[in-house]
Amino acid sequence: EVQLVESGGGLVQPGGSLRLSCAASGFTFSSYSMNWVRQAPGKGLEWVSYISSGSSIIYYADSVKGRFTISRDNAKNSLYLQMNSLRDEDTAVYYCARDRGFGGITYYFDYWGQGTLVTVSS
Amino acid sequence: EIVLTQSPGTLSLSPGERATLSCRASQSVSSSYLAWYQQNPGQAPRLLIYGASSRATGIPDRFSGSGSGTDFTLTISRLEPEDFAVYYCQQYGSSLTFGGGTKVEIK
Repeated sequence: EVQLVESGGGLVQPGGSLRLSCAASGFTFSSYSMNWVRQAPGKGLEWVSYISSGSSIIYYADSVKGRFTISRDNAKNSLYLQMNSLRDEDTAVYYCARDRGFGGITYYFDYWGQGTLVTVSS
Repeated sequence: EIVLTQSPGTLSLSPGERATLSCRASQSVSSSYLAWYQQNPGQAPRLLIYGASSRATGIPDRFSGSGSGTDFTLTISRLEPEDFAVYYCQQYGSSLTFGGGTKVEIK
C-alpha cells in the first residue's frame, strides 16, 4: 500500500524557517517524481514545488522561488521542503504528492499524504 | 499560465441526483492533460480522473470525465452520500495549475 506521511509542520514567526519531511513507503520511491502542494485555510490547492526522481530537475512556484528548497533522499525514501523567510501568506496545509509524470514533466498526482499544517504568525 | 475556472462555485443537490461540474481553461489544454480530484473535509485530495476521461484506480464508474480543448466536465451520475465534497480540476499540459474548486453540498 502506497503511503506518504508528512511531518515537521508547526507555528513559526514571520521570517523564520521550517523543514518539512515526507516519508514514503509501499512503492519504489526512487522511480517517481514528487511534489509539494499547499492549501491555505479555506482556500484551494496551490502547487509549490517539483523534484524529479533523481533530483536533477527541480521547479518552484514563483510565490516561493528563492525562499523554499525541495530535496529528496532516495536511500531514505524521503522528500523534504526547506522553507526560509516565511511569510504570513505561507500559512497552509502542505501535502506531498506522487507525480505520474517523468523526465521533468509534471503530470497528475495519484497519491497524496495527509498533510502537515504550517502556521506563520507572530 | 493557463487559468482554470470552475463552475458553479457551489452545487446543491440531493442524493441520487446527477451532478455536472465544469472546468474552463483560458487556453487550450494540450493532449487533454486534465485531471479531477475530490477532497472531503479534513482529508487530502483524491485523484478521480486523469487524461480528461480516464478513471483512476478504484474510482466508481458513476464518475466520468469528458471534454477537450478549453471545456471539460466531471459528471457524477447518481450522488452517493460520500460524494458531497469539493472537486478540483488540474491541467498539466502547460506547467501545472488548479481550478478554484466546486463544492457539492446536500440540498
